[in-house]
Amino acid sequence: QKEVEQDPGPLSVPEGAIVSLNCTYSNSAFQYFMWYRQYSRKGPELLMYTYSSGNKEDGRFTAQVDKSSKYISLFIRDSQPSDSATYLCAINAYNNNDMRFGAGTRLTVKP
Amino acid sequence: DSGVTQTPKHLITATGQRVTLRCSPRSGDLSVYWYQQSLDQGLQFLIQYYNGEERAKGNILERFSAQQFPDLHSELNLSSLELGDSALYFCASSVGGPISGNTIYFGEGSWLTVV
Repeated sequence: QKEVEQDPGPLSVPEGAIVSLNCTYSNSAFQYFMWYRQYSRKGPELLMYTYSSGNKEDGRFTAQVDKSSKYISLFIRDSQPSDSATYLCAINAYNNNDMRFGAGTRLTVKP
Repeated sequence: DSGVTQTPKHLITATGQRVTLRCSPRSGDLSVYWYQQSLDQGLQFLIQYYNGEERAKGNILERFSAQQFPDLHSELNLSSLELGDSALYFCASSVGGPISGNTIYFGEGSWLTVV
C-alpha cells in the first residue's frame, strides 16, 4: 500500500461546477498537508497548506483534513477553465524532510 | 515565476552518458530539494541539502549524486544513464525544511530524455 493514495482521474467538469479532489494516507505521523497545482510541463505550485483537522479556505479553494480518517480533500468552487491542471496532494511528518506526493488528479474544466 | 531557476530546460542524451542538472534556489532559501517526476512513478523525492549539507535522502539511485555549493546553488549528477531515467527533474527550495510552515517552491524542471 502506498503511503499516499490519490485517484489520478482524469476528472472533467463543466465550468461553474464544484470540484472535489481527495487523498488518503496511511501513516498517522503525517501532520502537514498541502495541495499543489501543476500545469502541463510546469513546476508544481503551492495552493493550500494546513496542519490541523478541519477546513481552511482561500478564495474559491477549501482544504479539508480529517486526521481520524486519514483523509484530505480539496474543494474548488465555481470552477474555471483556468483551473484545468493536475492537482497533487502532499503530506509530511514533523521534522521529516521527505515530503510524500500523491499521484496527482488531472482536472479539466470545460467552458 | 517561483524564483527557482533550473538549467537546462531540455536535454537529450544517450544511454551510458552522464549529465549535470543545475539549480539556483530562491534568494534567501537555504534548502534545495531534487525530485524526479515520471509518468509511472509520479513525483519522487530524491535528496535534500540544507546550507551545503545533505539533510535527507529519498529514492535516489547510487548512479545519481548531488551537491550544494557555498553560494547555495545545487547540481544533480546523473551517470550511466538508462532509458528509464528519462523524466522531468525538479529542483525546489525553501527557507528551511518543509515543516512548520516552510513552503517549498518548485522550479520549471529539466526534461531529460535518454535515447
